[in-house]
Amino acid sequence: NAGVMQNPRHLVRRRGQEARLRCSPMKGHSHVYWYRQLPEEGLKFMVYLQKENIIDESGMPKERFSAEFPKEGPSILRIQQVVRGDSAAYFCASSPDGSPHEQYFGPGTRLTVT
Amino acid sequence: RKEVEQDPGPFNVPEGATVAFNCTYSNSASQSFFWYRQDCRKEPKLLMSVYSSGNEDGRFTAQLNRASQYISLLIRDSKLSDSATYLCVVSGTASKLTFGTGTRLQVTL
Repeated sequence: NAGVMQNPRHLVRRRGQEARLRCSPMKGHSHVYWYRQLPEEGLKFMVYLQKENIIDESGMPKERFSAEFPKEGPSILRIQQVVRGDSAAYFCASSPDGSPHEQYFGPGTRLTVT
Repeated sequence: RKEVEQDPGPFNVPEGATVAFNCTYSNSASQSFFWYRQDCRKEPKLLMSVYSSGNEDGRFTAQLNRASQYISLLIRDSKLSDSATYLCVVSGTASKLTFGTGTRLQVTL
């Protein structure tokens, strides 16, 4: 049973470009969470999605950031017009039905904005 | 005030030593508590859940004190492979996890 998969593992973007981060949850998991870890800081919750629905986006910046989890395919975290402050590790986690706190993390995508 | 506070360390201990980490949380409505381990530049991995009654998993013992809003992790007989950052994590009724910034442990020969 493959774990949570994220790609790309490393992404370099110039200021003003768009970044798309993908996450495939564990098989059988329909709940996806995105977290961001800035250098030397703890992980911060961004958004919680179920298939086709955003459940909690209280941690998402109001502008430039969006997330989706379509019926088919991976969850996507999209950052438009990236700035240097967006440089961070972005981790995705998934959980099975009925166990929201049993979250399994993917290896993360390290975004560097130059 | 941070929602979850931890001493960042580092804690440098010799192999075989016993080491304890503490964590405090600010939200008295928090319901679930965990310790995660994060190796350098890797994803966090669940080490153990924490219960008021205390729980033990091999060399690891976790304890929760709800009255003091305090969580602890004790590692006995430290191994080199225990070197990592230990993250204190709490959660309320919502599904999101709130992470501390972590305590770094370095076990040496």
